[in-house]
Amino acid sequence: DGGITQSPKYLFRKEGQNVTLSCEQNLNHDAMYWYRQDPGQGLRLIYYSQIVNDFQKGDIAEGYSVSREKKESFPLTVTSAQKNPTAFYLCASSNERSSYEQYFGPGTRLTVT
Amino acid sequence: SQQGEEDPQALSIQEGENATMNCSYKTSINNLQWYRQNSGRGLVHLILIRSNEREKHSGRLRVTLDTSKKSSSLLITASRAADTASYFCATEGEYGNKLVFGAGTILRVKS
Repeated sequence: DGGITQSPKYLFRKEGQNVTLSCEQNLNHDAMYWYRQDPGQGLRLIYYSQIVNDFQKGDIAEGYSVSREKKESFPLTVTSAQKNPTAFYLCASSNERSSYEQYFGPGTRLTVT
Repeated sequence: SQQGEEDPQALSIQEGENATMNCSYKTSINNLQWYRQNSGRGLVHLILIRSNEREKHSGRLRVTLDTSKKSSSLLITASRAADTASYFCATEGEYGNKLVFGAGTILRVKS
């Protein structure tokens, strides 16, 4: 059963704590992406990776970090430096580059209080 | 920065009617894609239209692209209650490697 999984679905953290969101894909895709979605808004790109051991900042990378040690995995860490971390986080993957459709995971809703 | 802007922000129609959503963008693109998002879920790819294409069909979906006006439209014919969702356009710029999403149109189909 191929696809992208994100865990957990809901995550609650206290302010000042770092938290890591998981994203795994078994589609053999080279490229992976992290987006943030706020209520009533579109998606904003946080980080993306086109190949293992390489990644680039998106439009809103401040306060976030990523790693790409394996092709299948692209975890996102929301650090305490992120001023407003409460949001819906979506992970996606695609073949090679965004000329191809992106496949999305089900998302993780993070609430920081 | 968001390049695509959808219009209208929200649309409410009766089952069986057609729904049209529009997307405008600012810079030259390689392709434009439309996605659907059911409430609280991930996005699902609907259709991709390349910059050298003017119209594309997929089932009940029809997408047009006018690069001179930097705009695209998504038509859903004979809508169903299950079409209720948010619809986003996303553009890939000339230099590739990432998509830029609009804010979306919320479609409600009443049965």
